[in-house]
Amino acid sequence: DTAVSQTPKYLVTQMGNDKSIKCEQNLGHDTMYWYKQDSKKFLKIMFSYNNKELIINETVPNRFSPKSPDKAHLNLHINSLELGDSAVYFCASSQIAGVYGYTFGSGTRLTVV
Amino acid sequence: DQQVKQNSPSLSVQEGRISILNCDYTNSMFDYFLWYKKYPAEGPTFLISISSIKDKNEDGRFTVFLNKSAKHLSLHIVPSQPGDSAVYFCAASLQGAQKLVFGQGTRLTINP
Repeated sequence: DTAVSQTPKYLVTQMGNDKSIKCEQNLGHDTMYWYKQDSKKFLKIMFSYNNKELIINETVPNRFSPKSPDKAHLNLHINSLELGDSAVYFCASSQIAGVYGYTFGSGTRLTVV
Repeated sequence: DQQVKQNSPSLSVQEGRISILNCDYTNSMFDYFLWYKKYPAEGPTFLISISSIKDKNEDGRFTVFLNKSAKHLSLHIVPSQPGDSAVYFCAASLQGAQKLVFGQGTRLTINP
């Protein structure tokens, strides 16, 4: 199936831990994104990569570090997790950055306890 | 600073009637607008879009209207069906900004 797949779907972890979320797309898209759905339900962009190159880095703590080993993968590593990091994180991809809509993954619900 | 807002968190409509979802934006430079639909435990999926040079775009039961002077767009679903029950996100893009800006979503419930 052609899709954007992200793992894990659910992640429960303690404060202070380090965790990673993986994302892969097989749509041949050039651009990949990480969005965070916060407690107020807004979907806010965190990072965007185009052909493995970082093009958008919104105001996100340094504890969040994206890594794109190739244009089909964009992983998100989070260090020293805090309670406020609890949210749903969505990976997405698009053929052209910011235009014509995205294809989203199904989301990762991160709960920090 | 939320540039795209959906002021109704929820909407309940009778099956067969029209559903109207609203979205307001503040940045007059936005040049493309999109609606996404999201079911629980799934990612948002693209529904319909409209360019800022148009005021209406129709696709089957879905029509999006854009009022640039009011910085307002709406999504009409006619007739509404139970499968339309979902959260609907409005999004906007700015040429060159390389990202979509989303609203907070409206939960639509279609009652049989």
